[in-house]
Amino acid sequence: AQSVTQLDSHVSVSEGTPVLLRCNYSSSYSPSLFWYVQHPNKGLQLLLKYTSAATLVKGINGFEAEFKKSETSFHLTKPSAHMSDAAEYFCVVSGLRAAGNKLTFGGGTRVLVKP
Amino acid sequence: GAGVSQTPSNKVTEKGKYVELRCDPISGHTALYWYRQSLGQGPEFLIYFQGTGAADDSGLPNDRFFAVRPEGSVSTLKIQRTERGDSAVYLCASSEQVTANTGELFFGEGSRLTVL
Repeated sequence: AQSVTQLDSHVSVSEGTPVLLRCNYSSSYSPSLFWYVQHPNKGLQLLLKYTSAATLVKGINGFEAEFKKSETSFHLTKPSAHMSDAAEYFCVVSGLRAAGNKLTFGGGTRVLVKP
Repeated sequence: GAGVSQTPSNKVTEKGKYVELRCDPISGHTALYWYRQSLGQGPEFLIYFQGTGAADDSGLPNDRFFAVRPEGSVSTLKIQRTERGDSAVYLCASSEQVTANTGELFFGEGSRLTVL
């Protein structure tokens, strides 16, 4: 079984300040982990993914995430928020390939960027 | 097309009616997934196809929900006797052959279903 917990349902930051979105996962095997972003009226877009290679993963738009097995965490960060980062972000864990790569989503974190 | 296409983008229906939602995946993608996203929540898995067959339908909430993919490409999600609780955004996603990828899915923009 696998699950994902996003610790903050809403995060508000000022433009130009750092962003931190927290995610903890539970999995009975070595997971693949993802962050997806959903802008209003747009499809889910992959930001970055961890698949057992480097623990620090860089994604699009300046985002990065660090896989910490000891803490079962996969927090998403960005050094300087931009207005266009306002969206909903989902932390996601993937099932075993034998199980069809089903994705299990967290509840989402809505990011508000203030000018 | 270049991405996953879903139609209709919006559907309003009355309680008790039948609804079909269509998904056209990325060309060449053999795996196709349906998810449901209720307001304020993350997407929840419904069913996935590998080719023409439903490999896992464990997420379908009850027997009013059914999905098909007869030719291994386009898929249709069918909901009978709709209830107000079925109101949600239904997301479709596709990916390359399951055993060849690391779980990255490509999502459509969704079909928003409202049951009055």
